[in-house]
Amino acid sequence: AQKVTQAQTEISVVEKEDVTLDCVYETRDTTYYLFWYKQPPSGELVFLIRRNSFDEQNEISGRYSWNFQKSTSSFNFTITASQVVDSAVYFCALYNFNKFYFGSGTKLNVKP
Amino acid sequence: GAVVSQHPSWVICKSGTSVKIECRSLDFQATTMFWYRQFPKQSLMLMATSNEGSKATYEQGVEKDKFLINHASLTLSTLTVTSAHPEDSSFYICSARDRGAANYEQYFGPGTRLTVT
Repeated sequence: AQKVTQAQTEISVVEKEDVTLDCVYETRDTTYYLFWYKQPPSGELVFLIRRNSFDEQNEISGRYSWNFQKSTSSFNFTITASQVVDSAVYFCALYNFNKFYFGSGTKLNVKP
Repeated sequence: GAVVSQHPSWVICKSGTSVKIECRSLDFQATTMFWYRQFPKQSLMLMATSNEGSKATYEQGVEKDKFLINHASLTLSTLTVTSAHPEDSSFYICSARDRGAANYEQYFGPGTRLTVT
């Protein structure tokens, strides 16, 4: 079965702190894609990153970085030097068998 | 970049009435569109997949007679919530896949917040 687990329901940090959002996935298939989306209060999903199952190279984009480890079925997301504008709900998703499977989301509160 | 719009962005209707939500791909042709439902503080759940010119495929547990989906053109899919009840209040999000793109390349709309009173 396909499943995405985001164990952290809500995280609160103070601005400039680093924060890591955890994502663990389950799938039987060897070919799949992993995504992270940001959902601000407005509700619109904002695409952040996509990785395919054959590319375990970590990625950095500005203050954002992602750590993909197939050995632990994890695809964690780190925000360095967090800002108030990072406050949102973040979803990790698995794309497999022509469907998206979303995690339950982690609400990030960044306080000034 | 590919843009998907939804209309209306929010709607309030009375219990027992029907409401239609539109999903449009603005700058690409979408042979396949997807409808998701998101309850407050919960994840997105796929409701159905619609292919242009054919019947929608509904996920298990979704009432196809209650959630009518029509995908009459390559740029428009509609979701009609029939005889809406307060428990249908939710955030409805559509996504669309570009005709020539990979299956995983879906673009999400901004969502429609439905409140049934």
